[in-house]
Amino acid sequence: DIQMTQSPASLSASLGETVTIECLASEDIYSNLAWYQQKPGKSPQLLIYYANSLNDGVPSRFSGSGSGTQYSLKINSLQSEDVSIYFCQQNYDSPYTFGAGTKLELK
Amino acid sequence: EVQLVESGGGLVQPGRSLKLSCAASGFTFSDYNMAWVRQAPTKGLEWVASISYGGSNTHYGDSVKGRFTISRDNAKSTLYLQMDSLRSEDTATYYCARQRDWYFDFWGPGTMVTVSS
Repeated sequence: DIQMTQSPASLSASLGETVTIECLASEDIYSNLAWYQQKPGKSPQLLIYYANSLNDGVPSRFSGSGSGTQYSLKINSLQSEDVSIYFCQQNYDSPYTFGAGTKLELK
Repeated sequence: EVQLVESGGGLVQPGRSLKLSCAASGFTFSDYNMAWVRQAPTKGLEWVASISYGGSNTHYGDSVKGRFTISRDNAKSTLYLQMDSLRSEDTATYYCARQRDWYFDFWGPGTMVTVSS
């Protein structure tokens, strides 16, 4: 199975700050990487697919990058509504595994 | 507007069965592969099973293979998950999700399954 390692596990940042979340795959996943946002008490929502494609309706302050085994999610100009848990997921090979999540809080 | 609404969750004893349903609307259900993804309390996400748009191909995660069965009724725009031989480690919120190339672009609100005696 492909292991997805996310870092950091938790993150505290101020409004307007830029934050970056990393995701490391245990093998090359050829940019088959999605990012999801899960707000408290809600179901996950797709943010990014194929490593850098923004899903419809997602604010442009979110962006994704990376290749091979290393990927990142960047949030520019942090807003209060961005407080969430963020998960990465590889969609390259079965079983389709997720990272453990990064909890983003406001400082 | 795409909507997915799960139902059928609840408290069940270990070894018993439960069947979840997911009613879809706002899109052509028969055009999309569908999936179930679960999340144990305060834990991460785990892909459970997927089914092709016509229902002929199914895929399962190792932890549920042989115990769970995914199916669909395109005439009713409904996805199902038959869960047999339930274990305590199956306790989770179960999400129905629309699938695109093995990632998930819409999720339902989830239904909670608790396996306990």
